[in-house]
Amino acid sequence: EVQLVESGGGLVQPGGSLRLSCAASGFTFSIYWMSWVRQAPGKGLEWVANIKVDGSEKYYVDSVKGRFTISRDNVENSLDLQMNSLRVEDTAVYFCARLGGWDRFDYWGQGTLVTVSS
Amino acid sequence: QSALTQPASVSGSPGQSITISCTGTSSDVGSHILVSWYQQHPGEAPKLMIYEVSKRPSGVSNRFSGSKSGNTASLTISGLQAEDEADYYCCSYAGSSTLVFGGGTRLTVL
Repeated sequence: EVQLVESGGGLVQPGGSLRLSCAASGFTFSIYWMSWVRQAPGKGLEWVANIKVDGSEKYYVDSVKGRFTISRDNVENSLDLQMNSLRVEDTAVYFCARLGGWDRFDYWGQGTLVTVSS
Repeated sequence: QSALTQPASVSGSPGQSITISCTGTSSDVGSHILVSWYQQHPGEAPKLMIYEVSKRPSGVSNRFSGSKSGNTASLTISGLQAEDEADYYCCSYAGSSTLVFGGGTRLTVL
């Protein structure tokens, strides 16, 4: 059974940093692109970042470029999102998702809440 | 990276059919078949319902179907059931290894 379990969310002040992690199991992690998707409270889904199978390519939504870094460890089967210079508008539930094809996130974690507030 | 356009809400009675539209541009929805749809119940993670415009993952009811014409994709749910009440999101490949979601549509089963 495919499982994605996020951790690392919490309350952080504007300008602060936070590192999210996603533990993957139940599938061959190293052959799938992986993604982070977020959802602000009461709002819709927003794609945040993708990372290639070997970590050699990374892509971001414009609003987080230069502040967020996606990474992965194919030995530990984990996906991370380092978030720096956090803004109030980054407040959201962050989901880890497997990219099953170029149009689909076929498995999702339950999400971890990040709150940026003073 | 502009969001795809969906109606904010749709409604229907049990047994009826509804259609949710998702309008993009010739750079995303209109340029390929890489469009998917997700169902999200309150407090839960999204669930993949349709991919590649019209394909259903294993386990998804055949009451859910997808189509596309030009820059607009559509999700149709037939034989509405109470459990279909949820938020629905479309998603498209947007080029250069990026993706874009629609703003979401709340489905109310009357």
